Amino acid sequence: DAGVTQSPTHLIKTRGQQVTLRCSPKSGHDTVSWYQQALGQGPQFIFQYYEEEERQRGNFPDRFSGHQFPNYSSELNVNALLLGDSALYLCASSPGLEQGAFFGQGTRLTVV
Amino acid sequence: SQQGEEDPQALSIQEGENATMNCSYKTSINNLQWYRQNSGRGLVHLILIRSNEREKHSGRLRVTLDTSKKSSSLLITASRAADTASYFCATDATGGGNKLTFGTGTQLKVEL
Repeated sequence: DAGVTQSPTHLIKTRGQQVTLRCSPKSGHDTVSWYQQALGQGPQFIFQYYEEEERQRGNFPDRFSGHQFPNYSSELNVNALLLGDSALYLCASSPGLEQGAFFGQGTRLTVV
Repeated sequence: SQQGEEDPQALSIQEGENATMNCSYKTSINNLQWYRQNSGRGLVHLILIRSNEREKHSGRLRVTLDTSKKSSSLLITASRAADTASYFCATDATGGGNKLTFGTGTQLKVEL
């Protein structure tokens, strides 16, 4: 049983560009959340998707958007990249509320 | 923003010793979870303790929760070099719906 898979593992983009990160949740999990982890910090919640809709959102600008597909996989899109968007982006899935979350290995985004 | 604070920020011990990490948080919670992260990659879920539980064990891990003090501790017994990692606590606030708020983490180094 594959866990949470994310692609790509590493990415280098230029300021102002747009990026799409992808996540496949663990089998049987219908809820996907995205987190941003800056170097030396704990992860920060970006948003959560359930039944193809954004259910919750953290304190991130509208440049960050997402999507969930019928097979529960998800994408994170970031427009107009800033240097400060450089971080590890983590996807997590869970089988329901108040359950532990399973994280993917993350996508390391570097904006130059 | 980070809700929790882990203490200490860094901990260095010898193999075979016990390691204790503490976490404080600010709001009422559904549950508190502990995660391990190796070398800035994905987070591994270690243990979840619900707000009505006071202590939980999993292998060499022991977690306690004191909701009156809004604090938790993680004890790793008989530590091994492979336990070297960063450890994070994360809270699922009451009504939070699996939106995890992470602390700043404790960097544990276990030396041979």
